[in-house]
Order: sequence, then structure tokens, then C-alpha cells
Amino acid sequence: EPEVTQTPSHQVTQMGQEVILRCVPISNHLYFYWYRQILGQKVEFLVSFYNNEISEKSEIFDDQFSVERPDGSNFTLKIRSTKLEDSAMYFCASSDTGASWDTQYFGPGTRLTVL
Amino acid sequence: SQQGEEDPQALSIQEGENATMNCSYKTSINNLQWYRQNSGRGLVHLILIRSNEREKHSGRLRVTLDTSKKSSSLLITASRAADTASYFCATGSSGGSNYKLTFGKGTLLTVNP
Repeated sequence: EPEVTQTPSHQVTQMGQEVILRCVPISNHLYFYWYRQILGQKVEFLVSFYNNEISEKSEIFDDQFSVERPDGSNFTLKIRSTKLEDSAMYFCASSDTGASWDTQYFGPGTRLTVL
Repeated sequence: SQQGEEDPQALSIQEGENATMNCSYKTSINNLQWYRQNSGRGLVHLILIRSNEREKHSGRLRVTLDTSKKSSSLLITASRAADTASYFCATGSSGGSNYKLTFGKGTLLTVNP
């Protein structure tokens, strides 16, 4: 069964450093998402992406964050200057359509630790 | 309570028993989905129920949705130790050209062998 993959599974970085989290969505999907989950807290929506544009972003997704689809298969989340509070599990998701009845399939996550 | 609040926060049962988890939400939704998360792992989609549906089954899972009460329940029948995980409800709402999910805090289910 097709699945969303994410790399790396765990990333440790120093505060102020840039990180890029990578995702390979399910191949025929057109809608992509990033969510994050701070330890012990809810999964929170960050951004949705379609047709090489951001469709919607949350308040969390400030100027330090950016997303890109650099080629036909990868979808990346960049944090320009990491902060301690960026430590979280970051999940990528994709869906076939953006319709409300469509399922979002999640990857296994990247655990980001900012020291 | 916030959108997508589950209760109980934690549930411990014996293998073979049924587990029922509830979810309440506040605003209008297009759909409601249930996900499972094993400790420190990714989110696994379990079932989606649309706002015009009242009940849905998938294997040992049964989901109900009551839009008048803004609530949903997830029933796992004949539970197994492997069902031990956190269970989240997520409500889908439209934004722009696609929709986003709003998750609850989850119910931690422990199934004891």
C-alpha cells in the first residue's frame, strides 16, 4: 500500500540553525500538508499546499517557515533559524483531493530536537 | 472545550473487552476522522465519517456521529493488546482550496493482556 515517507526520522540541531525536513507524499496525491506535535500536546496544523502554492497556513507558520516542492516527488519544510520551542514531531500528510471527504495520509514523522 | 476534545483522556481495559472513546467539537464540520498513534510514532488513519453520515463500520471499529450534539464515538470491539495506542479525533474544515484537520488531545487506550 502506498505510504507517505519522511526523512530524517530524528534531527538534532543547534538553536539558530536551519533545518530542512523532507517528505515524499503518495505519488498520485496533489495536496500536501505539514502538522506538528509538541511533546504531550495536540497535533497542530501548520500549512497546506497545492499547485505549488500555499493554500492556507496557521499562526504558527511565520516567516521562519517555508515549504517547497523542489521536484515531482519531494515536499519540504524549512525552518530558517530554529528556536527551542520548535522542538516537536513534524508530520507530513498528503491527500488525493482537497475535498472534505478525502482522507489525509500521514507520514511517520520527523522528531526535531533543538538544543 | 476546544474543537475535537476526546474523553476519557485515558482508558485501561482487559483484552477482549470493548473500548469506547468519545469526541466532542464546537463548530460545523465537513467530516470527522479518527486516527491512531502508537507511542512516539506516526498517525494511522482509521476511519472517516462524513457530516451526513450517522454510523460507519470498519472491521472491529464502529464510529458514530451526532451532528446535533456535535459529538462522535469510536468503539473498538474485542480489543487486543496491539490496540494499545493513543486515539485522536480530527475534524475537517474547509480553508482555501483544501481543508485542514483540527485534532483533539487524544485518548490513551491501554489494553492489558
